[in-house]
Formats: sequence, C-alpha cells, structure tokens
Amino acid sequence: DIQMTQSPSSLSASVGDRVTIPCRASQDISISLAWFQQKPGRAPKSLIFAASSLLSGVPSKFSGSGSGTDFTLTISDLQPEDFATYYCQQYSSYPLTFGGGTKVEIK
Amino acid sequence: EVQLVESGGGLAQPGGSLRLSCAASGFTFSDYYMDWVRQAPGKGLEWVGRTRKKVNSYTTEYAASVKGRFTISRDDSQNSLYLQMNSLKTEDTAVYYCVRVYGSSFFDYWGQGTLVTVSS
Repeated sequence: DIQMTQSPSSLSASVGDRVTIPCRASQDISISLAWFQQKPGRAPKSLIFAASSLLSGVPSKFSGSGSGTDFTLTISDLQPEDFATYYCQQYSSYPLTFGGGTKVEIK
Repeated sequence: EVQLVESGGGLAQPGGSLRLSCAASGFTFSDYYMDWVRQAPGKGLEWVGRTRKKVNSYTTEYAASVKGRFTISRDDSQNSLYLQMNSLKTEDTAVYYCVRVYGSSFFDYWGQGTLVTVSS
C-alpha cells in the first residue's frame, strides 16, 4: 500500500497569511494526487485533482504543486472560512489512501 | 446540481449487519464509478471501496479492512448506490460518505454522510 504522510498535523496561521501544507507519498504516484478541505461536522470538499488542477468553483487562492512523491497545497490570503483540516489522497493505485490531515488553526 | 444523499445508518451490534444507501441526482449516475469513504469519530478519512460502471461489468474494489465483509452494489435504474455491511465490528463505527468518481480517477462530489455505530 502507498502511505501518505502529512506533517505537521496542525499549524497556526493568521488571517491574511499564505500557508503551505506538505504531503509525501511513500512511492512515486506521478500526479495522481487530490486535496480535500473538511470543516468540523461537515463532509469533505474536493479542491484539487491531478496535483495542481482546481475543481470547478474552487477559488484561485488554492493552488497545488508537486509530482512523484512530494506535493504541496498552498492557500494564499487566509480567511476565516479557510480554517479547516486539509487531506491529501493518492489515486495512483489500490487501495486508495489518504494522508492523516493537517489542521489549519487561527493563531 | 449534483446531490448524493446517504441513508440507512444507525446502531448495530457487533457481528450484525446494516445496509447503507446513497440516492444520486443531478447527473447521469450510470456514467460514473462510485465509492464509499468512511471517517471514524475524531479520525481521518479511510477509503472503503468502489464500484465501476456497467461497461466495466460493475466490478468492485475493497479496502483490506472490509474485504469479505462489505459488498458494494448499485442500481442504475434507481440512481442508487449501496453498501451491505456484514459481520460488523466496533472499529467499523464511522460516518460513511458516498462519493462520485470523476473520469474514473478522482473524487469530485461527496454526500453529507450517515453515521454507523457498532456497539453492544
């Protein structure tokens, strides 16, 4: 199985900050990587697929990069509605696997 | 508007069974692979399994943790996805999400989830 690692598990940031959230795969997954946002008590929301492509309706403040084993989600101009937990997921091979999540908290 | 609405969650005893349903609307259900993903209380996301579409013979994939106990099926005439859960364990306690797979690869839409609690 491909292990997805997200570290740190939480980070603190201020409104207006630019934050980067890393994700590492245990083996080469090319660009078969997605990012999701989840707020407390809510279903996850899909943000990015193919490592860097935004789904329709997702604000351009979100961006993704990387290929192979190392990936990054960047959120610019952090707003109160962006404080949430972010998960990466590989869909290169079965079983599909998720990272443990990074919680973005208000500093 | 794409909508996925899960139902059927509730309390089940260890060793018992439960069947979840997901009603889909706003898109041509038969054109898409569909998945189930779960989230134990306070934990991260875990992929449960997938059903492909008719042209792929409705073949399925499962996580090792549920293989042999859970069965995913679909009824394209009813725009519905199902998860039959047998031999339930306490560690199956989770919110279960129905998820649409775009282009046979990535998740785009999620349902609101249904809570399954396995306890005696």
